[in-house]
Amino acid sequence: ETGVTQSPTHLIKTRGQQVTLRCSSQSGHNTVSWYQQALGQGPQFIFQYYREEENGRGNFPPRFSGLQFPNYSSELNVNALELDDSALYLCASSSDRAHYGYTFGSGTRLTVV
Amino acid sequence: TQLLEQSPQFLSIQEGENLTVYCNSSSVFSSLQWYRQEPGEGPVLLVTVVTGGEVKKLKRLTFQFGDARKDSSLHITAAQPGDTGLYLCAGARGGSNYKLTFGKGTLLTVNP
Repeated sequence: ETGVTQSPTHLIKTRGQQVTLRCSSQSGHNTVSWYQQALGQGPQFIFQYYREEENGRGNFPPRFSGLQFPNYSSELNVNALELDDSALYLCASSSDRAHYGYTFGSGTRLTVV
Repeated sequence: TQLLEQSPQFLSIQEGENLTVYCNSSSVFSSLQWYRQEPGEGPVLLVTVVTGGEVKKLKRLTFQFGDARKDSSLHITAAQPGDTGLYLCAGARGGSNYKLTFGKGTLLTVNP
């Protein structure tokens, strides 16, 4: 059974650019969630996808968008990058929306300069 | 304001000591989860508790969910250097159980 795989592991972008982060969910999981973890903080919920539809969204602006594909893999897109977007972006999958816990990937460390 | 308050924020102890980490809120959660995160890695689920007053044990780790489902604790007996990491509590609320709300975490260092 494979876990959650994220790519790339590290990324450096310039302010104003756009970025796409990718996630392959754990086998058998149909729900994917994305979290942003700033240094010294707990993860903050960005949004969740369930069967290819956005199922809920946190307090993030519209320039954060996502997709889920038929194989349940997912993408997180961020437009017009700002310095404050520098963080660890975590993808998590589950077979239930949040209640029993997630399997997290190792994350993508994004640095905006 | 932080919905889930964890304490202490930092904890440095010697191998063999016992410790307790707390996770408190004024909100009721339908489930509460504990994760451990190591540097450069994602959080790893340790346990999920769903019933008020529930106690779960995982080897030397004991987790308790408060009777009112607003708080939780994690107790580690005879800590080992391998227990070092960031311990995060996270709650799912009944009306919006599509997301987890995380605390800031407790950074535990166990010295040999």
